[in-house]
Amino acid sequence: GQNIDQPTEMTATEGAIVQINCTYQTSGFNGLFWYQQHAGEAPTFLSYNVLDGLEEKGRFSSFLSRSKGYSYLLLKELQMKDSASYLCAVSSHASGGSYIPTFGRGTSLIVHP
Amino acid sequence: KAGVTQTPRYLIKTRGQQVTLSCSPISGHRSVSWYQQTPGQGLQFLFEYFSETQRNKGNFPGRFSGRQFSNSRSEMNVSTLELGDSALYLCASSLDVPLGTEAFFGQGTRLTVV
Repeated sequence: GQNIDQPTEMTATEGAIVQINCTYQTSGFNGLFWYQQHAGEAPTFLSYNVLDGLEEKGRFSSFLSRSKGYSYLLLKELQMKDSASYLCAVSSHASGGSYIPTFGRGTSLIVHP
Repeated sequence: KAGVTQTPRYLIKTRGQQVTLSCSPISGHRSVSWYQQTPGQGLQFLFEYFSETQRNKGNFPGRFSGRQFSNSRSEMNVSTLELGDSALYLCASSLDVPLGTEAFFGQGTRLTVV
C-alpha cells in the first residue's frame, strides 16, 4: 500500500524559513504535490514535482528525491498568513488508467510574530 | 471563471439515513474526484469519475457510491449512514487526472451524522 509521513505540527517565526519534510513509500509513483489548506477552506495547489530536484516558485520551493522517497516544502520570508496545514500528496499509477492520489495527514504550521 | 461548486455546504443526518452530495466542476474539466477529510485520517481518496465512468476507487465500503453526468457534474451517495461518516467531503475537478497543476478543490460539504 501507500504510506506518506509528515510532521504533525511545526512552529516558526515571522520572516524566518521553514522546511516541511515528507517521506513516502509507494508503487507506481507518478508525481508529488504540495497543497495548502487554511482552516475551514479548500486545499489550494502549491507545487508539483515529477523529476528529482528543486522547483522554485516565489517564496515557496519544493524538492523531490525519488530514490529516497523524500520531498520537502521550503517556505521563505514567512508571513502570518502562511499559518495553515500543508498537505503532501503522491499520485500513483492505477489499474483504471488514471492515477490514485494518496495524502499525508498534513503538517499544521503556526507562524508567530 | 466559476470555481468548483459543492452543495450543500452543511448537512446534518441521522444514523441509518442516506445522503447525496453534489459537485459541479469547472467548465471544461472532465475529471471529478471525491475525498473524505477527517481529523484522524486526513484526506482520503474515495473515487474518480471521468466521462461518466468511475476510473478508480479508494478503500471505502460499498455504502459509498457516486456517478457522473454528461455535463461532468458529479454526485456521491452514502447509504446507511454511520457516526464515523461525519467528515468534510471534498471534490476536485481537473482536465483529465485527479490531481494536476490545474486541479481545483471545492469548498466541501460538512456532513454531521447524529
